[in-house]
Amino acid sequence: KQEVTQIPAALSVPEGENLVLNCSFTDSAIYNLQWFRQDPGKGLTSLLLIQSSQREQTSGRLNASLDKSSGRSTLYIAASQPGDSATYLCALEGETSYDKVIFGPGTSLSVIP
Amino acid sequence: DGGITQSPKYLFRKEGQNVTLSCEQNLNHDAMYWYRQDPGQGLRLIYYSQIVNDFQKGDIAEGYSVSREKKESFPLTVTSAQKNPTAFYLCASTQNKPNQGNHEQYFGPGTRLTVT
Repeated sequence: KQEVTQIPAALSVPEGENLVLNCSFTDSAIYNLQWFRQDPGKGLTSLLLIQSSQREQTSGRLNASLDKSSGRSTLYIAASQPGDSATYLCALEGETSYDKVIFGPGTSLSVIP
Repeated sequence: DGGITQSPKYLFRKEGQNVTLSCEQNLNHDAMYWYRQDPGQGLRLIYYSQIVNDFQKGDIAEGYSVSREKKESFPLTVTSAQKNPTAFYLCASTQNKPNQGNHEQYFGPGTRLTVT
């Protein structure tokens, strides 16, 4: 059974710092991995999606990497800003269970001005 | 604009009443999902539907029911049998053909249900 963890549960950094959020999973047979952002009381916004055959994806100040062999993905945020403060969730779709996505518990990020 | 809409944003009900949450999408996606989110927990799958007139139970389906009569609509009913219905409910959709496309999930803004 796929299990997804995100450590740390919460992170506080000063503005301008580069930071890395971690996502770990137990079953490497995945179809894709998606990173989301969630603001308080809001829905999820898709940030980056990495297909199983890809190693990384970039969008602006965000870079997501995927290492299936080690069961890890990282979300790198460059030059953090207070507007980046939110909860970040990773989610995996399995190779064979394409109709189900497993979510991690999320990392709550606070960027201090 | 293409997207997913959920209504209402906030919903209050008395214990013992059934309540239906709306989810509509105009993305022409085949698959739709309902998740529940509780404080400090990740998203948990309630029901999902891959095609019209078909749906499957997720991990926490007890006390909930759904229908999928139209491709663009996937309403969720929270029944009186659901013991802890107060939560944040999120609807999502994806173009979900097996081994086709990237299956990116798109989410609605959510409905916060409070039952007293």
